[in-house]
Amino acid sequence: ELKVEQNPLFLSMQEGKNYTIYCNYSTTSDRLYWYRQDPGKSLESLFVLLSNGAVKQEGRLMASLDTKARLSTLHITAAVHDLSATYFCAVGNFGNEKLTFGTGTRLTIIP
Amino acid sequence: DAGVIQSPRHEVTEMGQEVTLRCKPISGHDYLFWYRQTMMRGLELLIYFNNNVPIDDSGMPEDRFSAKMPNASFSTLKIQPSEPRDSAVYFCASSEAGTSYEQYFGPGTRLTVT
Repeated sequence: ELKVEQNPLFLSMQEGKNYTIYCNYSTTSDRLYWYRQDPGKSLESLFVLLSNGAVKQEGRLMASLDTKARLSTLHITAAVHDLSATYFCAVGNFGNEKLTFGTGTRLTIIP
Repeated sequence: DAGVIQSPRHEVTEMGQEVTLRCKPISGHDYLFWYRQTMMRGLELLIYFNNNVPIDDSGMPEDRFSAKMPNASFSTLKIQPSEPRDSAVYFCASSEAGTSYEQYFGPGTRLTVT
């Protein structure tokens, strides 16, 4: 059974600082996704990573995938308040279309 | 594109009543997923369909829950009878085969059972 772990679960950081959220998964997969969820809202797709070594960047967020280590990271550069949200990683189950979601990381950016 | 559409957005009902949640996927998408999100259990996949056929319903909590997809543009999730522990946000998502299988989520239905 595929298990997905994120850490940290909660993260408070000051504006302007850098930090990284980690997503580990337990079995082979060829697809990894990052989503953002604002309080009371739906999930918004941020990144889709489909191959080992894939790196994608959008603004202050950068995601990478290491399939050999079964690890993805979401790096935040020079955080701003607007990035406060819960971030989920989701891993594709090999051979089918299901996604297994991590527990989420609640990020709070403090001015 | 209007995105995934769900209705109602909020539902408050009494224990024992039947609840029906509705979803319209993005046009052209082959897959439809129903999720439940709670603070305690996080985001759980309940069931998913491919070309209107249920593929995996192993996440459906019990017989009180049922889901149908009569055509490519409509799906329902029904709870009968509802219980307070069913209170949650229910999301519908859809994706397209042959691409990255990225799932697009609807706005969700917040269900409260009293």
